[in-house]
Amino acid sequence: AQKVTQAQTEISVVEKEDVTLDCVYETRDTTYYLFWYKQPPSGELVFLIRRNSFDEQNEISGRYSWNFQKSTSSFNFTITASQVVDSAVYFCALSEAEGGTSYGKLTFGQGTILTVHP
Amino acid sequence: SQTIHQWPATLVQPVGSPLSLECTVEGTSNPNLYWYRQAAGRGLQLLFYSVGIGQISSEVPQNLSASRPQDRQFILSSKKLLLSDSGFYLCAWSSMDPQPQHFGDGTRLSIL
Repeated sequence: AQKVTQAQTEISVVEKEDVTLDCVYETRDTTYYLFWYKQPPSGELVFLIRRNSFDEQNEISGRYSWNFQKSTSSFNFTITASQVVDSAVYFCALSEAEGGTSYGKLTFGQGTILTVHP
Repeated sequence: SQTIHQWPATLVQPVGSPLSLECTVEGTSNPNLYWYRQAAGRGLQLLFYSVGIGQISSEVPQNLSASRPQDRQFILSSKKLLLSDSGFYLCAWSSMDPQPQHFGDGTRLSIL
């Protein structure tokens, strides 16, 4: 069975600090997809990124960057120069795609609460 | 562009009362649809998913049921609510596996 672990329950930083959110996953499939979502205080989940298991290139989008390490089954998320608006719960999620039978079902980690103080 | 609507935003119901939460998607056809529950503001649990009209798969045994009467409509129901049904319910859609899922704004359900 697949599993996603976000060991950091809560992180508190001061504005402009860099912060890394850890995500470790378990799966027996060779083809899978990893996601990060942001949940601001208003509650909706906002999609941030999708990465497939064959693409280990790191990705940068503005102040956000993602480091995918297949060897350690990790998909970490770094926010550079954090801002108060980054305060939210961040979820890492995994979808298995072997044989096309996953139907896109996501397994979520427990989430990391990020608080950025001014 | 595609949008997802979920209502109501908040709901307070007595124990034993029925429930009906509705979710509709616009701007796409034959989406995969999902219902999640988030308890105590953490961790999302997949409750149901649907790949087509009338096709419902349940992920966990519970007091809830789901239906998909139309292509872009997904309904979460219960005949008799329990205290343990309280939580934040999120509907989501995706165009196909493994596209990312896009979520509605959620319904906060409180059972008294």
